[in-house]
Amino acid sequence: EAQVTQNPRYLITVTGKKLTVTCSQNMNHEYMSWYRQDPGLGLRQIYYSMNVEVTDKGDVPEGYKVSRKEKRNFPLILESPSPNQTSLYFCASSLTGADYGYTFGSGTRLTVV
Amino acid sequence: SQQGEEDPQALSIQEGENATMNCSYKTSINNLQWYRQNSGRGLVHLILIRSNEREKHSGRLRVTLDTSKKSSSLLITASRAADTASYFCATAYQTGANNLFFGTGTRLTVIP
Repeated sequence: EAQVTQNPRYLITVTGKKLTVTCSQNMNHEYMSWYRQDPGLGLRQIYYSMNVEVTDKGDVPEGYKVSRKEKRNFPLILESPSPNQTSLYFCASSLTGADYGYTFGSGTRLTVV
Repeated sequence: SQQGEEDPQALSIQEGENATMNCSYKTSINNLQWYRQNSGRGLVHLILIRSNEREKHSGRLRVTLDTSKKSSSLLITASRAADTASYFCATAYQTGANNLFFGTGTRLTVIP
């Protein structure tokens, strides 16, 4: 089944403790992206990647890192999480970018205390 | 902001009725997409309409695009309780654009 897989689904952590949210797609998509969703603000893009080793900032990149060493994987790294990063996070992939529909993962609900 | 804006923010209808949601955006687009999100779950792509298209259909969904007014509408006909979800429009602002900009969504409730 074609899908984007995110892990974990839920995560509670403490301020400052580094964490990684994994994202993997099995559709051979070149484009991958991370969004966060907050009430009243819609989805805002954090980082995106056009292909292996090619990443760029979205609208809200502060406090996040990403890497794209393989085409299928695009992990999101929070080096020192803070409470304002409590949010619902989504990974998405697309064949080549916004010219095509995105396939979303099921989401990761992160709480930073 | 480059986000689109959906209208209304919330909509409640009876099963069997039609539901119409609108999206307005600010600058010229390459395409506009509609997504559905069931509570807290991932978004599901519904339909993509390109800037040179005026109308597209998919099952019970009908999307229109008016580039002169910078607006789009999503019509769901003969709604069902299972259509209860949030609906988002997303805009791509140039050919080969890297990013989709999502609105804040319309929350649709279909009452059985």
